[in-house]
Amino acid sequence: QQQVKQSPQSLIVQKGGIPIINCAYENTAFDYFPWYQQFPGKGPALLIAIRPDVSEKKEGRFTISFNKSAKQFSLHIMDSQPGDSATYFCAASIQNTGKLIFGQGTTLQVKP
Amino acid sequence: KAGVTQTPRYLIKTRGQQVTLSCSPISGHRSVSWYQQTPGQGLQFLFEYFSETQRNKGNFPGRFSGRQFSNSRSEMNVSTLELGDSALYLCASSAGPAANVLTFGAGSRLTVL
Repeated sequence: QQQVKQSPQSLIVQKGGIPIINCAYENTAFDYFPWYQQFPGKGPALLIAIRPDVSEKKEGRFTISFNKSAKQFSLHIMDSQPGDSATYFCAASIQNTGKLIFGQGTTLQVKP
Repeated sequence: KAGVTQTPRYLIKTRGQQVTLSCSPISGHRSVSWYQQTPGQGLQFLFEYFSETQRNKGNFPGRFSGRQFSNSRSEMNVSTLELGDSALYLCASSAGPAANVLTFGAGSRLTVL
């Protein structure tokens, strides 16, 4: 019940495409859902986050869609660029626990 | 503003040895958490400290331990190293006790031979 399932494992798109990464969870106590971006040799960096009382959040080219009833959330990257090539992790936490449960990660390659 | 600093960045140990990893959080951040990252298991939560108190602990054996000092710097220790402990160990800090806006360091890459 503590798991966060992420798909796909890897994704290749052309420049300008819209990659979509999906995550699903079981624990309804989760109330914070961040996405992290990780480049080789670096630690994960917070990209965007959402709480379950919001169905969509946009920050620049990154959008989170959240479906509370289905217990699913997804990341969309608009007008993807080669510089977006990285590994993306979804995560979930219970407020004030200080503990993030991460998905398995999606390696994205954006071809020029 | 300096980020989260982890030392050492790389280290090689042999089975049975112990290792201590260090983490200096962002200035003013009082919460430090540790994660283990491996290709097979992904990112897994180890433990979290806030104001020198361990608030949460992940599902790891007792060989994994940590502590936080009064200046918020943190260390984690792994004793009796096993081959499976080879991983990237990531430290993250945040201003408060919640998991919001974690800032990760670049990690300490541990190889156990």
